[in-house]
Amino acid sequence: GQQLNQSPQSMFIQEGEDVSMNCTSSSIFNTWLWYKQDPGEGPVLLIALYKAGELTSNGRLTAQFGITRKDSFLNISASIPSDVGIYFCAGQLNTGNQFYFGTGTSLTVIP
Amino acid sequence: DAGVTQSPTHLIKTRGQQVTLRCSPKSGHDTVSWYQQALGQGPQFIFQYYEEEERQRGNFPDRFSGHQFPNYSSELNVNALLLGDSALYLCASSLLTGYGYTFGSGTRLTVV
Repeated sequence: GQQLNQSPQSMFIQEGEDVSMNCTSSSIFNTWLWYKQDPGEGPVLLIALYKAGELTSNGRLTAQFGITRKDSFLNISASIPSDVGIYFCAGQLNTGNQFYFGTGTSLTVIP
Repeated sequence: DAGVTQSPTHLIKTRGQQVTLRCSPKSGHDTVSWYQQALGQGPQFIFQYYEEEERQRGNFPDRFSGHQFPNYSSELNVNALLLGDSALYLCASSLLTGYGYTFGSGTRLTVV
């Protein structure tokens, strides 16, 4: 199956700091999704990207669909304690096909 | 507007038993996908159902089977449970294009 490399694996940051994480693939994707997952819960969709170069924001979160279509980036500005969780990227090769997930980035925000 | 609902939330089964997990998709969604998420890993695709048929299947053995009903709800069945089947099972509903891919809270299956 497809391998999505997500980095960093974990981050420990001070409240108020900005966060950046990314996801790369050897294949070209036509859709990128970013999810946040709390312990014992299902992933919650944060941002969906459908076009190369697309830059989309959702509050303090901003994500970009890489120009090469092989990567995507998520930024969180002015982090707060409730940002704690695991962030997953997911990519779709072709419309209607399955999504492949990254291995996740664990974010810890220190008050 | 209810999102994706899954039942049960937790389940403990004995090795060799069979289990059925259920999923009701978000209103307006016609496609259901099932994922297995082992501890510390990202979700792994099991299969996808649309119009009551399996459209795609991931790298899972035939012990994993499913069904979709006319009301778009779906079941995941796992036969001959192994200890390694212990995981969080997630259901995601969407339109066929993948638009609006929304997950339920999952069913935590423990095989002992």
